[in-house]
Amino acid sequence: QQQVKQSPQSLIVQKGGISIINCAYENTAFDYFPWYQQFPGKGPALLIAIRPDVSEKKEGRFTISFNKSAKQFSLHIMDSQPGDSATYFCAAISNYQLIWGAGTKLIIKP
Amino acid sequence: NAGVTQTPKFRVLKTGQSMTLLCAQDMNHEYMYWYRQDPGMGLRLIHYSVGEGTTAKGEVPDGYNVSRLKKQNFLLGLESAAPSQTSVYFCASSYVDSYQPQHFGDGTRLSIL
Repeated sequence: QQQVKQSPQSLIVQKGGISIINCAYENTAFDYFPWYQQFPGKGPALLIAIRPDVSEKKEGRFTISFNKSAKQFSLHIMDSQPGDSATYFCAAISNYQLIWGAGTKLIIKP
Repeated sequence: NAGVTQTPKFRVLKTGQSMTLLCAQDMNHEYMYWYRQDPGMGLRLIHYSVGEGTTAKGEVPDGYNVSRLKKQNFLLGLESAAPSQTSVYFCASSYVDSYQPQHFGDGTRLSIL
């Protein structure tokens, strides 16, 4: 049973555009929501994370928006660059275990 | 600084064969994890360890065994490989604080024929 639903599965964005990836969760016990970035042939690496008492967190071109009442959160990548092309995973933590979304393959066209 | 190292990087097995995947970390992390990654399904936790000598089952433990005899090493064993175990396997480690990131190796691509 997938507890974190991620969409879209794949996304193509023009260079300089905004990339938006959405996630929804069901378990209200989740208390930490990280996003991981994975390049081909590599393991995932933490990109940015947010706690549920915060509605937004920004790090450079990457922003997480969090809606606790709707149980949804999203990743926005501003001024998307070809180097941002990767697979992005949202996740949620409960009891020290990470529950992962299915991933979004992002392609930035030059 | 190597971080998390997985060996081997690639392996092809025949159905019924056994093998062990090795994970080593040099960050003095207490927690270690084994995941499998399949297309369209994200990462699924197989087993994890919260310290030397302790292991626990994750979401998909059937067909796998693990051991953590040393703090820096976490081994994943397949006793009798099945085609359904064809996947990319990732090892990760982290500090005790669950808000700390998990650090991943580069994976082992395993094919079972």
